[in-house]
Amino acid sequence: DIQMTQSPSSLSASVGDGVTISCRASQSIGAYLNWYQQRSGKAPKLLIYAASSLQSGVPSRFSGSGSGTDFTLTISGLQPEDFATYYCQQTYSTPITFGQGTRLEIK
Amino acid sequence: QVQLVQSGAEVKKPGASVKVSCKASGYTFTSFDINWVRQATGQGLEWMGWTSPNSGNTGYAQKFQGRVTMTRNTSISTVYMELSSLRSEDTAVYYCARGWCSGGSCFQPWGQGTLVTVSS
Repeated sequence: DIQMTQSPSSLSASVGDGVTISCRASQSIGAYLNWYQQRSGKAPKLLIYAASSLQSGVPSRFSGSGSGTDFTLTISGLQPEDFATYYCQQTYSTPITFGQGTRLEIK
Repeated sequence: QVQLVQSGAEVKKPGASVKVSCKASGYTFTSFDINWVRQATGQGLEWMGWTSPNSGNTGYAQKFQGRVTMTRNTSISTVYMELSSLRSEDTAVYYCARGWCSGGSCFQPWGQGTLVTVSS
């Protein structure tokens, strides 16, 4: 199974800040990497697919980059609604696996 | 709009089975696979498997092989996930999610989730 490791596990930031979340795969997954946002008590929501493509309707302050084993999600100009948990996901091979999540909290 | 609506919360005893439904609307039901993902309270996301509403083909994570069955009813645009031999560790929110992007390689949208509680 491909293991996905996110860092940090949690971080605190203020409205207007920029943050970066990292995700590392245990083997190369090309660009088969997606990012999801999950607000408390809600289902996950797709933000970025294929490592760097912005899902329709997602604000442009979200961006993704990377390929192979190392990926990043960047949020520029944090808004109050961005404080949530973020997960990366690899769909290169089954079983599909997720990172453990990064909880973004208000400082 | 495209949406997946799941059945309501369930409480089951250890050893029992649970069957969760996921009704699709707003798109051609047979054109996209449906995946199942679960999340224990305060924990991360765990993929369980997928089913093709078109062919009925399935693929399960090895962890759930022998205990999970995913089926569909095309006449009502609904897929089902049945998990048997329930134990307390199966207590979780279960989500269905449509395979989207090229080759179904991302999940969008997701159902609202179904809480399954396993308790004696």
